Amino acid sequence: DAMVIQNPRYQVTQFGKPVTLSCSQTLNHNVMYWYQQKSSQAPKLLFHYYDKDFNNEADTPDNFQSRRPNTSFCFLDIRSPGLGDAAMYLCATSRDPGVPDTQYFGPGTRLTVL
Amino acid sequence: AQSVTQPDIHITVSEGASLELRCNYSYGATPYLFWYVQSPGQGLQLLLKYFSGDTLVQGIKGFEAEFKRSQSSFNLRKPSVHWSDAAEYFCAVGAGGNAGNMLTFGGGTRLMVKP
Repeated sequence: DAMVIQNPRYQVTQFGKPVTLSCSQTLNHNVMYWYQQKSSQAPKLLFHYYDKDFNNEADTPDNFQSRRPNTSFCFLDIRSPGLGDAAMYLCATSRDPGVPDTQYFGPGTRLTVL
Repeated sequence: AQSVTQPDIHITVSEGASLELRCNYSYGATPYLFWYVQSPGQGLQLLLKYFSGDTLVQGIKGFEAEFKRSQSSFNLRKPSVHWSDAAEYFCAVGAGGNAGNMLTFGGGTRLMVKP
């Protein structure tokens, strides 16, 4: 089945130690998104890619970076994780921009910062 | 800018009872509306969506939702709740844009099901 895959499902890192979360998709979608979801809150969009074009949300901290080396993969890099960055990180995809479309979500990566 | 309000943070219903989760949106153009469900520790699963046409939409797991433009609402309903429906439910409004389909989520409603 076509899907959105996130690895790892659980990630533990130390305060200030860089960490990378991975997302891959077999849907061949053009748009990929990264969301941060803290406990009992709605997902908050960090940034998204339309093909290779990167779009950062205005309030996303500089500590968060992303890479999309090809259509299938997208990475979230947290350069110096703080305790406040502990959250669920969700990756999502959609086909095309500018038209009504559904976002398909992966299972998420739960990040713990010690 | 669009916004979504889910007035009920928590709802508890008995198994077998009917369910209605409320969602109100604010958007200047025709809204694209979604309901997602999230089980603990999981990602978001699409329940149903409304883009156009029939205002009563059917989704998976026996859920339905009705778009009411006059009330700016898109409430989710299920006639008989099962214990496995216990989860967090998010309503979202989508807006097409040049670089992606941006979703604005409501704050979520946590559903608990009593035996």
